[in-house]
Amino acid sequence: GAVVSQHPSRVICKSGTSVKIECRSLDFQATTMFWYRQFPKQSLMLMATSNEGSKATYEQGVEKDKFLINHASLTLSTLTVTSAHPEDSSFYICSARQGRGTDTQYFGPGTRLTVL
Amino acid sequence: AQSVAQPEDQVNVAEGNPLTVKCTYSVSGNPYLFWYVQYPNRGLQFLLKYITGDNLVKGSYGFEAEFNKSQTSFHLKKPSALVSDSALYFCAVRDYGQNFVFGPGTRLSVLP
Repeated sequence: GAVVSQHPSRVICKSGTSVKIECRSLDFQATTMFWYRQFPKQSLMLMATSNEGSKATYEQGVEKDKFLINHASLTLSTLTVTSAHPEDSSFYICSARQGRGTDTQYFGPGTRLTVL
Repeated sequence: AQSVAQPEDQVNVAEGNPLTVKCTYSVSGNPYLFWYVQYPNRGLQFLLKYITGDNLVKGSYGFEAEFNKSQTSFHLKKPSALVSDSALYFCAVRDYGQNFVFGPGTRLSVLP
């Protein structure tokens, strides 16, 4: 089946630094990738949708200047948390969709970000 | 607007017994419904989906779900639970052309 990887799986950083998280579709081309945030014991909240070669579409309330998304190729999207603060600590999950329409989303294993 | 409800935060079931995890939805058009499972500190794994066709959908690991349009439900079921099924289960809905909306999740505990 379709495999999506994320790197790193865990990252600890100091407040004020920037962190980049990579999301790759390993065996398929992802026309669209999604970035979610999950707080403990809560559901996934969609942050943004990125289409290869175009600007990401951010959900209401998500700061696009803080959460920079780059979908450089059909197999790679990156999320950069800029000037991270402790409240940015969370579990970040990406997913990738193979085609348009109602195709299934395949999820990465997630990245645990801890900002000290 | 789309929404998904999972009325139970927690479901406990004994190993070998049948399990049901409930999901109800609200969409403006035809629903596209999904179930995902999440193990601790892991991403979501796809279990099954309903797009059209037979109301009973069979998925991975012996799970199945029944689409009920009149009750706007899509309950997840398994005839015989395993301890390894213990995890967090998410129901999700999507209108055509829209993004996923996830339910709050239900934690399933299968007791040996």
